Amino acid sequence: NAGVTQTPKFQVLKTGQSMTLQCAQDMNHNSMYWYRQDPGMGLRLIYYSASEGTTDKGEVPNGYNVSRLNKREFSLRLESAAPSQTSVYFCASSEVASYDYTFGSGTRLTVV
Amino acid sequence: DQQVKQNSPSLSVQEGRISILNCDYTNSMFDYFLWYKKYPAEGPTFLISISSIKDKNEDGRFTVFLNKSAKHLSLHIVPSQPGDSAVYFCAANMGNFNKFYFGSGTKLNVKP
Repeated sequence: NAGVTQTPKFQVLKTGQSMTLQCAQDMNHNSMYWYRQDPGMGLRLIYYSASEGTTDKGEVPNGYNVSRLNKREFSLRLESAAPSQTSVYFCASSEVASYDYTFGSGTRLTVV
Repeated sequence: DQQVKQNSPSLSVQEGRISILNCDYTNSMFDYFLWYKKYPAEGPTFLISISSIKDKNEDGRFTVFLNKSAKHLSLHIVPSQPGDSAVYFCAANMGNFNKFYFGSGTKLNVKP
């Protein structure tokens, strides 16, 4: 099925470890996003890529890096995980200038 | 501080009745508003939108109302169905489709 695929679905990290969350979309969308969802906070934008080759900071970029590997793939890297980064992470994609985002099913990350 | 607020974490409604979900925002520069619906273990999906030049938009059983003077947005679902049970997020932006600010969500339970 067409959509946004995120891997892994679940991950437990120790403080200080690094990891990369992978995201791929097969809808030929130009724009891609990384959000985090925390209880009582809703979805907050970490980084986005308006088009292949560009990335920009969102509301909460500190502690994260991103790579737009190609049009399909947008990865999120935690270089040194902290307990405050325990969250559910959602990747999304959209056409340019569209509010109709297609979200992946999320990655639940726990940092202990 | 959150710019988009959903002050009711949960709402319970009887099947067939009206569900009203509320959202408040603080930034008068917001000019586009959305509602997304999220089922457990899935990513959010787009439901309905409204531009600041309108005060009402309908799509089937779903109607969004915008009161700019009060900085208030509401989603009406009539009639409510058990399949509508989900978490509903409102979101807003100011001319940048890549940067939406989401509320914390309201969990709707429609009882059969």
